[in-house]
Amino acid sequence: AQSVSQHNHHVILSEAASLELGCNYSYGGTVNLFWYVQYPGQHLQLLLKYFSGDPLVKGIKGFEAEFIKSKFSFNLRKPSVQWSDTAEYFCAVRDPGTYKYIFGTGTRLKVLA
Amino acid sequence: GAGVSQSPSNKVTEKGKDVELRCDPISGHTALYWYRQSLGQGLEFLIYFQGNSAPDKSGLPSDRFSAERTGGSVSTLTIQRTQQEDSAVYLCASSGGLRLYEQYFGPGTRLTVT
Repeated sequence: AQSVSQHNHHVILSEAASLELGCNYSYGGTVNLFWYVQYPGQHLQLLLKYFSGDPLVKGIKGFEAEFIKSKFSFNLRKPSVQWSDTAEYFCAVRDPGTYKYIFGTGTRLKVLA
Repeated sequence: GAGVSQSPSNKVTEKGKDVELRCDPISGHTALYWYRQSLGQGLEFLIYFQGNSAPDKSGLPSDRFSAERTGGSVSTLTIQRTQQEDSAVYLCASSGGLRLYEQYFGPGTRLTVT
């Protein structure tokens, strides 16, 4: 069965620190990849997505992610975090042949001002 | 409305009671998903509706769970004879149009079974 692993469950950073959140998936075929973010008290919202093409994708608020097919990874990065990035981040995979999405367990990021 | 709405936002119920959770998707979105998010867990797929096709109910954890989507729009998730392990946040998402594979989530319903 497909699965998505987010190894960092809780991350605490100071403002201006660099961020990298890991996401690994288990699926051998073509996949669509997503990062969602949930700010405190708000809905889940799409941060960025990868369908095809350039494996380095840029999303909102300065986030980016790199798809490395050989490593089955889609790590989320941001060069310099802000206090407002405090949120929970979810990685998700979709098999293009189906409509199902598999989500990771999420990473809670806390940025200290 | 501009986004996906869900009601109620919070529901506290006694074990054994039935509950109904409602989802209003974005107008025109043909796809609708229900997920369950338990503490410390990811989003667990429950059920999927696409247009007028038969729904995919493969994620429903037991026959106490059922869902309907009327007129291709509003959806209701029903949990019969609730158990304490049903306590979770139930999320609805919809997608459609040119961004068919981008899900838009509602705020969720937090269900607590006492």
